[in-house]
Amino acid sequence: GENVEQHPSTLSVQEGDSAVIKCTYSDSASNYFPWYKQELGKRPQLIIDIRSNVGEKKDQRIAVTLNKTAKHFSLHITETQPEDSAVYFCAAPPKGSFQKLVFGTGTRLLVSP
Amino acid sequence: ETGVTQTPRHLVMGMTNKKSLKCEQHLGHNAMYWYKQSAKKPLELMFVYNFKEQTENNSVPSRFSPECPNSSHLFLHLHTLQPEDSALYLCASSQEGGRNEKLFFGSGTQLSVL
Repeated sequence: GENVEQHPSTLSVQEGDSAVIKCTYSDSASNYFPWYKQELGKRPQLIIDIRSNVGEKKDQRIAVTLNKTAKHFSLHITETQPEDSAVYFCAAPPKGSFQKLVFGTGTRLLVSP
Repeated sequence: ETGVTQTPRHLVMGMTNKKSLKCEQHLGHNAMYWYKQSAKKPLELMFVYNFKEQTENNSVPSRFSPECPNSSHLFLHLHTLQPEDSALYLCASSQEGGRNEKLFFGSGTQLSVL
């Protein structure tokens, strides 16, 4: 089955710095890689996703890159702001499963003003 | 955002109690999910329902019993739980239940088992 590893588990940056969170996956057949953001006490929400036919996708200050050969994908946040502070989860669907997303363990990002 | 609503928000129960968690989605979706979120562990999928039919049971103990009377409502019936079952239980929905679909989560029920 799929195994998704996420690093780092915690990340502290100063406001304005960039933040990078990386995930590796084991199933080479995985073709969809979403990122969810969960603010303290709130529900997880999809912030960006990428499919295996593209290498990079951007949406304002966030971007996701995918390296299919190395089987890893990363979330990049530029010009971080305090409201970016949250737990970020990556996920990937395993081969042979219609609906099951396997999530990473999460990265707690703290942006200090 | 009130697309997926869960009640109650918090629940404390003893190991001999029976309680139920409720989820309702107002998005017209056809798939609904129960996830368990424990500290320092990945989100764990518990159950999936597509068009009211259970399509996945991720080896969940029988003390958790799901019910999906229609595409908009999902319940999780709890009985004789263990302290290690304490966690945040999240409901989610998606349009058709496909692998590449966005999940819409509820705010969760924080469950404490004493």
